[in-house]
This record gives sequence, structure tokens and C-alpha cells, in this order.
Amino acid sequence: GEDVEQSLFLSVREGDSSVINCTYTDSSSTYLYWYKQEPGAGLQLLTYIFSNMDMKQDQRLTVLLNKKDKHLSLRIADTQTGDSAIYFCAERLTGGGNKLTFGTGTQLKVEL
Amino acid sequence: GAVVSQHPSWVICKSGTSVKIECRSLDFQATTMFWYRQFPKQSLMLMATSNEGSKATYEQGVEKDKFLINHASLTLSTLTVTSAHPEDSSFYICSAHPPGQQETQYFGPGTRLLVL
Repeated sequence: GEDVEQSLFLSVREGDSSVINCTYTDSSSTYLYWYKQEPGAGLQLLTYIFSNMDMKQDQRLTVLLNKKDKHLSLRIADTQTGDSAIYFCAERLTGGGNKLTFGTGTQLKVEL
Repeated sequence: GAVVSQHPSWVICKSGTSVKIECRSLDFQATTMFWYRQFPKQSLMLMATSNEGSKATYEQGVEKDKFLINHASLTLSTLTVTSAHPEDSSFYICSAHPPGQQETQYFGPGTRLLVL
């Protein structure tokens, strides 16, 4: 199956770190992605990780991949109000062409 | 990153009419583009893969006669919702990847369709 699950909602205070989690069921993922969607807008690619990596860091963003547990996380350091959005994880499967399967999305709300 | 545009950004139409949505890759050529649909507060669901110069590949449960896809050039794919009904109201988003960068997909800003 190609189920990708995320928690629905996360609330953090400005300046704190946010951790958004994602679990997937198909072990043949090649790449895993994090996208950000602001209200009424398309998706912005934040970062992605190849499946043979454990971690990737890009400025305030840290991606951790636990392939054994099929668990992906996105940590946002020093969260700002502009980070408020919906975050989607997505996976690209071996043999699936370039199709992406998206998670259910996590709404991040950053409070002052 | 690469830029993908969509037109129109929103459209309101009467039930029974057809609506065409354009997806363009502005600074790269794309032999393949993808069309997704997103219902309110839900995730993106892949509808079809648009292939330049050949027929689109539709996902299970998506009616190809209802959602016509034409990929006439390396920078343009169109999605036509034929005889639209209120249940077709949704947010339609396309994506594409630059040549040699299959690991990344860039998304358009989306088209919001409301069928009355």
C-alpha cells in the first residue's frame, strides 16, 4: 500500500523548534519530500532526502529519516510566524516513475 | 528553483460547461507534467500524468473522458474539465520537473474551480 500519514495539527510558540512527523508504509521509497502550502497557494518544495540517507540539514530545516521504522520528520528551528502553513510529506517509489504520494498534511500554527 | 505557472488562478462556471486549465513550465522544458486535485482540508491526489506527444496516463478512478489532458508542447499541458458539475469543484495543481532533475518536482500555484 501507499499510505502516508501525518498528524493533523501542530501549534508552537515563535522562536521554538517545530517537529512535524510522517510515517509511510511502502519500503521501496527512493526519495522523500517536504512541501509547504500557504493558504490558497500551490506547493513549495522545502527539501528532500534520498532514501539511503539518515539526515539532511538545510539552514533552519533538518530532515531525519528512519527507514527501519518508516518514519520521516522535519524539524524547523527558530520557528517564525511566516512558517505557519500546511506541511506535506511525500514519497516517490521505486518503479513509480516520478509520481509522488502525498501525506495527509500537518497544519502548523505559530503563536506569538 | 524552477517556475511553473497555471492559468487561470480561479474560475467560476455554470454546471454543464467545460473549463480549460493551463500549466506552463516557464524556464525549462518538461516532457512530463502531473495533474493533482486537492479538496478542502485534504491532501493532493494524483489524477494523471501528462506526456508530451502521447496520451496521458490516468490514475485509477479518474475518468479520462471527463478530464481531458493535452500536452501539446514541451512547456504546456492543459487540463479540460468537460461538462463540469458542482462535485468537480476543487483546487487543481500541476507539477513538472526540469530535465535531468527527476528527483525534484515543482508545483504551479494552483487553479481553484467553483462550479455552480
